[in-house]
Amino acid sequence: AQSVSQHNHHVILSEAASLELGCNYSYGGTVNLFWYVQYPGQHLQLLLKYFSGDPLVKGIKGFEAEFIKSKFSFNLRKPSVQWSDTAEYFCAVKGTGFQKLVFGTGTRLLVSP
Amino acid sequence: GAVVSQHPSWVICKSGTSVKIECRSLDFQATTMFWYRQFPKQSLMLMATSNEGSKATYEQGVEKDKFLINHASLTLSTLTVTSAHPEDSSFYICSATDREASPLHFGNGTRLTVT
Repeated sequence: AQSVSQHNHHVILSEAASLELGCNYSYGGTVNLFWYVQYPGQHLQLLLKYFSGDPLVKGIKGFEAEFIKSKFSFNLRKPSVQWSDTAEYFCAVKGTGFQKLVFGTGTRLLVSP
Repeated sequence: GAVVSQHPSWVICKSGTSVKIECRSLDFQATTMFWYRQFPKQSLMLMATSNEGSKATYEQGVEKDKFLINHASLTLSTLTVTSAHPEDSSFYICSATDREASPLHFGNGTRLTVT
């Protein structure tokens, strides 16, 4: 069964700082990888996804993630965070096809103005 | 973009009663719907997977007789929490997809409080 590990539970940054959130997964086959964001009081929204091809994936709002197969990682990055990026970020993985999506425990990001 | 509507957004019920939560895909046909549960400060835990017209597949540890799932059409799935107890109080979230290669679209969630 697949599993996802997010190492940073809470991250506090100042505006304009760079962000990198770690995500490692465990799965024996081909994976689809996702990052979701949950702003305070709102539902989950897709930030970006990786299915195949270029391992460097660009998403919305300036976020990107890099799939490193040898490290089983899919870290999320943003060069310069804004106060509006304050939210909870979830990494998720599923096998190909209609497989279930498994979430990491989430990382709460607080960006101070 | 694709929209998933979940209703109600919050509900308070007495212990022993049943509560039904609806999940609708508004602008696409949801071949598969997933029901998640999120405890405070924790991640989403998958409860069950439902495909239109067939029985739901429950995750280990989830009581299928307590959490009844019906996926009667390609746009509607319901989760009924039967004989609710305070420990069932949680945030329930549905998600839906129409294709294998599509990411999930999430509803806004339902906060259930059982008194």
